[in-house]
Amino acid sequence: GDSVTQMEGPVTLSEEAFLTINCTYTATGYPSLFWYVQYPGEGLQLLLKATKADDKGSNKGFEATYRKETTSFHLEKGSVQVSDSAVYFCALSDPTSGTYKYIFGTGTRLKVLA
Amino acid sequence: DVKVTQSSRYLVKRTGEKVFLECVQDMDHENMFWYRQDPGLGLRLIYFSYDVKMKEKGDIPEGYSVSREKKERFSLILESASTNQTSMYLCASSLPSGTVHEQYFGPGTRLTVT
Repeated sequence: GDSVTQMEGPVTLSEEAFLTINCTYTATGYPSLFWYVQYPGEGLQLLLKATKADDKGSNKGFEATYRKETTSFHLEKGSVQVSDSAVYFCALSDPTSGTYKYIFGTGTRLKVLA
Repeated sequence: DVKVTQSSRYLVKRTGEKVFLECVQDMDHENMFWYRQDPGLGLRLIYFSYDVKMKEKGDIPEGYSVSREKKERFSLILESASTNQTSMYLCASSLPSGTVHEQYFGPGTRLTVT
C-alpha cells in the first residue's frame, strides 16, 4: 500500500540556519503531496501542497518540490526562526484511488535555538 | 474562517468507562476523520465518514466506534476505555475525494485513561 517515510527527529538548528526535512513516498497511483505543521498544543495545519510532478509548493518561506523520479517531497527553508519550532508531517492523498485516505509520516520535530 | 472544534482539550477517564469525543465542523465538509497521535507512530486513522450515517474503518478501529447523525458532527466512542487508549485524538474534515483537498484539523483532545 501507499506509504510515507520521513527523516527521524528531532532536528535542532540555530536561528537563520538552512532547513531540510526529507520525505519519500511510495504510491501506486498519482498522489497529491502535503506538508502539515503542528505547533505545541495545537492540531495540524496545512503548510503547503503539490498536486503533480515538478510542482513546487511554497508558504511562509518554506518550499517543497514534487519529484516523481526520486519519489520525494523534501521540505526546505533558507533561514529558520525560533517560531518555526514545531512538528512537521509529510502526507499523501491519492484522489484517483477511490479512497478517502490520507497517509501521514511519523513527523519530524524541529527545534530552533536563538 | 474554517473551523473544526473538539469538545474537550483534556479528558481524564477511568478504565472501563464509556467515553465520547465530539467533533464539529462549520465548513459543510462531506468527509470527517478521527486519528490518534502517539509519539513515534505519527497519525493513525481510526475511522472516517464520507457522508451522514456512513462510516468506514481505518487502520486501528478496534475498541472504538463512531456516530455521524448530522453532517457537521462526528463522534468517537470508546466503548470501554482502557489504558492503552491514552493518547491524543485528532479530528479532521475535508471536501470529497476526486480532487485535491487538504484536511482541516481540530486542536485535539488529550485523553488519559487511569
